[in-house]
Amino acid sequence: DIQMTQSPSSLSASVGDSVTITCRASQSVNTRYLNWYQQKPGKAPKLLIYATGSLQSGVPSRFSGGGSGTDFTLTISSLQPDDFATYHCQQSYSHPPTFGGGTKVEIK
Amino acid sequence: QVYLVESGGGLVKPGGSLRLSCAASGFSFSDYYMTWIRQAPGKGLEWISYISRNGDTIYYAGSVRGRFTVSRDNARNSLYLQMNSLRVEDTAMYYCARDEVVTAGDAFDIWGQGTMVTVSS
Repeated sequence: DIQMTQSPSSLSASVGDSVTITCRASQSVNTRYLNWYQQKPGKAPKLLIYATGSLQSGVPSRFSGGGSGTDFTLTISSLQPDDFATYHCQQSYSHPPTFGGGTKVEIK
Repeated sequence: QVYLVESGGGLVKPGGSLRLSCAASGFSFSDYYMTWIRQAPGKGLEWISYISRNGDTIYYAGSVRGRFTVSRDNARNSLYLQMNSLRVEDTAMYYCARDEVVTAGDAFDIWGQGTMVTVSS
């Protein structure tokens, strides 16, 4: 199985800050199969970015994704109050699909 | 509006069984692969099962293989997860999700609200 490791596991930031979350895969993942989800407390995850850098419909442009090979990033430019949540990366390149452990973005 | 609504969770003793259901609406259910994903309290997400459009291809995570059975009824727009020989470590929120294979490279683009399964004596 491909292990997905996110860092940091949590971070504190202020409204307006720019934050970057990193996701490292234990082996190379085709960029078409790397996805990011946002999850708020008590709610189901929501697809944010698919295929490394493609924004799901309705997702604000302050979210962006990048990377290749084993290293991928999710960047939120100018954090908004609605962005405080947990973010999960996920690969579908190799079976079984696997998720990172999550990064909790909290208000400073 | 596209919806997935899970039901069937609850409290069960170790060794017991439960059957989860997921009702789909707002899209052509038979055109999509479907997936079950779970999340133990305070933990990350774990993919557990996948079923193809007509049900002829099914995969399971090793942690549930031989105990869980996924199925679907396209006429009823419904997905199911039969869970047998339940263990304490199966305690989790169970989500069904739509697997967007074609345009989103196998991303889970629609999720239900989840149904909680608690395995405890």
